[in-house]
Amino acid sequence: GESVGLHLPTLSVQEGDNSIINCAYSNSASDYFIWYKQESGKGPQFIIDIRSNMDKRQGQRVTVLLNKTVKHLSLQIAATQPGDSAVYFCAEIPTRGATNKLIFGTGTLLAVQP
Amino acid sequence: DADVTQTPRNRITKTGKRIMLECSQTKGHDRMYWYRQDPGLGLRLIYYSFDVKDINKGEISDGYSVSRQAQAKFSLSLESAIPNQTALYFCATSDRHRGANEKLFFGSGTQLSVL
Repeated sequence: GESVGLHLPTLSVQEGDNSIINCAYSNSASDYFIWYKQESGKGPQFIIDIRSNMDKRQGQRVTVLLNKTVKHLSLQIAATQPGDSAVYFCAEIPTRGATNKLIFGTGTLLAVQP
Repeated sequence: DADVTQTPRNRITKTGKRIMLECSQTKGHDRMYWYRQDPGLGLRLIYYSFDVKDINKGEISDGYSVSRQAQAKFSLSLESAIPNQTALYFCATSDRHRGANEKLFFGSGTQLSVL
């Protein structure tokens, strides 16, 4: 089958280093943002989310930063591990509850080198 | 997510054939969705359903139809498959309750190839 990693920007990092994956979103009025991880042969998996009234949110080894001024979202992964290798993409929702209007980015392939 | 099950995982078919992709979920969610994923294009919404009696077209519904047989089941049909429908198809669910976050839970996908 086709790889979802084809034609994607790629970030290559060494195991143990921190990774920063960036996303530019389209709608300045978007209310909610999500980062998904998609491993080869699997469906997207929720990592972390953030509301538009926040600029930072932390999870386990992951941090999402939101800069509404420049419509930019980033995902920081601390101490990157081989199991973090996957395609990562952001998604935005323009209105609370409008899950049918979720807009997905095209993704970044994270390649972790041992 | 093992709570959202798609069948089949892979399917190869010929142009003009009718194909059905099935999705079932044990999460108890009211909302279900069908997306397709193509390299470089991200996920695009085909159809969605907010409850058993609700069916709505998404961004790219032409050439597709759906059936919501029960709260837990949502199937996608291609009445007459064509090669540009070759893609990876995902079913997803979400919780409708006010205050719940809007995150979607995805199945493992169906890789469809139309020859």
